[in-house]
Amino acid sequence: VIWMTQSPSLVSASTGDRVTISCRMGQDISTYLAWYQQKPGKAPELLIYGASTLQSGVPSRFSGSGSGTDFTLTISGPQSEDFATYYCQQYYSFPWTFGQGTKVEIK
Amino acid sequence: EVQLVESGGGLVQPGGSLRLSCAASGFTFSRYWMSWVRQAPGKGLEWVANIKQDGSEKIYVDSVKGRFTISRDNAKNSLYLQINSLRAEDTAVYFCAKIDGDPTSNWYFDLWGRGTLVTVSS
Repeated sequence: VIWMTQSPSLVSASTGDRVTISCRMGQDISTYLAWYQQKPGKAPELLIYGASTLQSGVPSRFSGSGSGTDFTLTISGPQSEDFATYYCQQYYSFPWTFGQGTKVEIK
Repeated sequence: EVQLVESGGGLVQPGGSLRLSCAASGFTFSRYWMSWVRQAPGKGLEWVANIKQDGSEKIYVDSVKGRFTISRDNAKNSLYLQINSLRAEDTAVYFCAKIDGDPTSNWYFDLWGRGTLVTVSS
């Protein structure tokens, strides 16, 4: 099982701040990583796959970077609709695993 | 409209069984791997199982092997999860998810349903 550590678990930000979320893997997974956004009571939505490819329709203020073991999701100037919980997920090997989640709240 | 709609959740006693269903629409269901992912109340996401387009390959997380069975009916555009020998720790919202891409490169969940709640309690 590939262990993964997502941090921080909670981040407070103001609209317009730059938010960065980290996902660190226990082994090299190349770029087989996705990021999802989940709002309370809703299903997750895909933001990024392949570590850095933006899913169609996702605003360009979201970006992903990294390869190997260290990955980052950046929100450049979060808008009110971006306050949610974010998860990373590796699909390099089974069992597929998710990070613990990062809640982005309004400061 | 492209969507996935789950059903079949409910309250069940420990040791009981349920069959979850997921109705797909708006895309060619038979072309895609499909998956179940669950989320315990207030917790993170846990991948449960995948099934290949024709049902010939199924992959499970260890904690459900032998108790859960994923299946599909492409003629009905439907995905299923038979869950047996339920335990309290199986209490969760169960999401149906479509997998885009392929096993040789990137593959990821590009469409999710809203989920169905399974509660295991006496």
